[in-house]
Amino acid sequence: SQQGEEDPQALSIQEGENATMNCSYKTSINNLQWYRQNSGRGLVHLILIRSNEREKHSGRLRVTLDTSKKSSSLLITASRAADTASYFCATDPIYYYGGSQGNLIFGKGTKLSVKP
Amino acid sequence: EAQVTQNPRYLITVTGKKLTVTCSQNMNHEYMSWYRQDPGLGLRQIYYSMNVEVTDKGDVPEGYKVSRKEKRNFPLILESPSPNQTSLYFCASSPGTRQYFGPGTRLTVL
Repeated sequence: SQQGEEDPQALSIQEGENATMNCSYKTSINNLQWYRQNSGRGLVHLILIRSNEREKHSGRLRVTLDTSKKSSSLLITASRAADTASYFCATDPIYYYGGSQGNLIFGKGTKLSVKP
Repeated sequence: EAQVTQNPRYLITVTGKKLTVTCSQNMNHEYMSWYRQDPGLGLRQIYYSMNVEVTDKGDVPEGYKVSRKEKRNFPLILESPSPNQTSLYFCASSPGTRQYFGPGTRLTVL
């Protein structure tokens, strides 16, 4: 079943502004990942944050994770028109035996539009 | 080059005509998955495989079959396609953490 739920569903900003997307999930996780999809193409992995991490940076991306609230946020700073895409969070749930099945659960995505 | 390939990339077919979408990865990954993507519904998992001969249902397995006879290949089989299986399909492989996606197969069933 769908676990990650992104918010907002759509976001429109001007170039140079920051974009923040949120993700909520329901069960305990090993890690949470963010992916990007340009229109109709395959998803591309952006960043992974483990359940024992609270914040992670990669270039202009900043991801936070709050396991007590079961939520994560993705911040893209100084956005560019090329950042226009859909962004998905994906969770790697902990299974009954305590491990991972390498089986990610994706949300419905946030559609980001960055206007030049 | 490390990659996941899918074939065909585009397919228009008719109701009831069996078809197979192939997926192959050259990264020796154990985990492979199939997803379908529909507007407003995001990615929904169809089937996944944790290793050769080990497969399990995802969220929307009805009308689909898979097999994993060798590590690199994970074909998706539609025995009797119906119009509600018109969708964009993605194959993905994983070493156990991040997933690597194929380019997608756009399927239309008339």
